[in-house]
Parts: sequence; structure tokens; C-alpha cells
Amino acid sequence: ETGVTQSPTHLIKTRGQQVTLRCSSQSGHNTVSWYQQALGQGPQFIFQYYREEENGRGNFPPRFSGLQFPNYSSELNVNALELDDSALYLCASSLNVRSLAPQAPLHFGNGTRLTVT
Amino acid sequence: QKEVEQDPGPLSVPEGAIVSLNCTYSNSAFQYFMWYRQYSRKGPELLMYTYSSGNKEDGRFTAQVDKSSKYISLFIRDSQPSDSATYLCARSGKGKLTFGQGTILTVHP
Repeated sequence: ETGVTQSPTHLIKTRGQQVTLRCSSQSGHNTVSWYQQALGQGPQFIFQYYREEENGRGNFPPRFSGLQFPNYSSELNVNALELDDSALYLCASSLNVRSLAPQAPLHFGNGTRLTVT
Repeated sequence: QKEVEQDPGPLSVPEGAIVSLNCTYSNSAFQYFMWYRQYSRKGPELLMYTYSSGNKEDGRFTAQVDKSSKYISLFIRDSQPSDSATYLCARSGKGKLTFGQGTILTVHP
């Protein structure tokens, strides 16, 4: 059983640029969630994808967008990067039986560390 | 008020000590609670998962939920240096988890 894998592991971008982060979900999982973890804080929910549709969104602006592919892998895109976007971006997968079900335990990848200068 | 409040620590204990980590939550609508452990430069790893009041034990770890007081605890018995990590409590909602800010635990030999 393969776990959640994310790429790249580290990334440095300049303010105003755009970035794409990638995630492969754990085998058998149909739902992917993205979280942002600032230094010294707990992860904050960005959004979730279930069966290729956005299935809930946290308090993040529209410049944060995503995709889920038929093989359940996912991308997180962030446009017009700001300094405050510097954080660890975590992807997590789970097996959900229906949309907006109480969240089953999440299995996280090791994240992408994004630094915006 | 944050949905999930966690004692920030940091905590430093000697090897073999009993560790108590605590969280409170404000929304009683949902019943699932989880504890994650996060080592430096790694993603959170699921430790315990419970959906009811009472205790759940797994080896040296015990998760306790008191829904009447909206209190979640994790106890670690016979703590080891390998337990040194950040511990995150989380509450399940529709389609998402809400995390506390994490408690940094150091167990020194």
C-alpha cells in the first residue's frame, strides 16, 4: 500500500508568481484534501475534492484553486503569490462514502514547503 | 473563540513520565476526534481516532473524550525520547478537520 506522496518537497517563489503543487493519494482513497500549515500553527483547511469536484472550501481566496484527476491525484494552484503564502502545504487522502460526510481520518503526505520572497 | 483550542506548551518531560495533552472544542455538532503526531519536516501521522465519549487505549496511548465539557485529552504512558514531536488534536466536521495549534513535546533521556 503506497502512502500519500507530494511534489516538490521544497519550492522558492517570488511574490506575484504562480505555483502548482502535486499530490498522489493513498491507494484506494477517493478524496483529497489540502491544508496550509504556517510555522507554529495547526493545519488550516483549504479545500477538498471528492470524485473530481470541489467538496468544501475553507477561508481561502479564489487565487487558491485545485483539481482532482480520474486517478484521484490532485493539484493545488496558487496565483499571485503573497509573502503570507509561505507555509507547509499538506495533501491528505481519505475514503469517503458520500459528499460532505463527517470527515474520516486523513492520511497526510509530508508536504511541500513553499517560501515566497 | 477558535473552534479547537490546544494548550500550546511546549512540554519537556523526563523519559518514563506520563504526559497529558489537552484540547477543548466549541462546536458539539460532530462526534469524531483525532490525535495526530507530527515529527519535524514530516506530515501529521494519525495516532488515535474516536467518535464517542470515554477512553480509547492503544498501547502506551490513551485518548479521552468528555463531550459534556467539550474536552479532549491524550495520555502517553512511559514516554520515550522517540515520542518527541508536535501533537495535534482535531475535530471532524463536514468534509474537513479542524486542528488545534499543536503542542510541542520533548522527552529527554
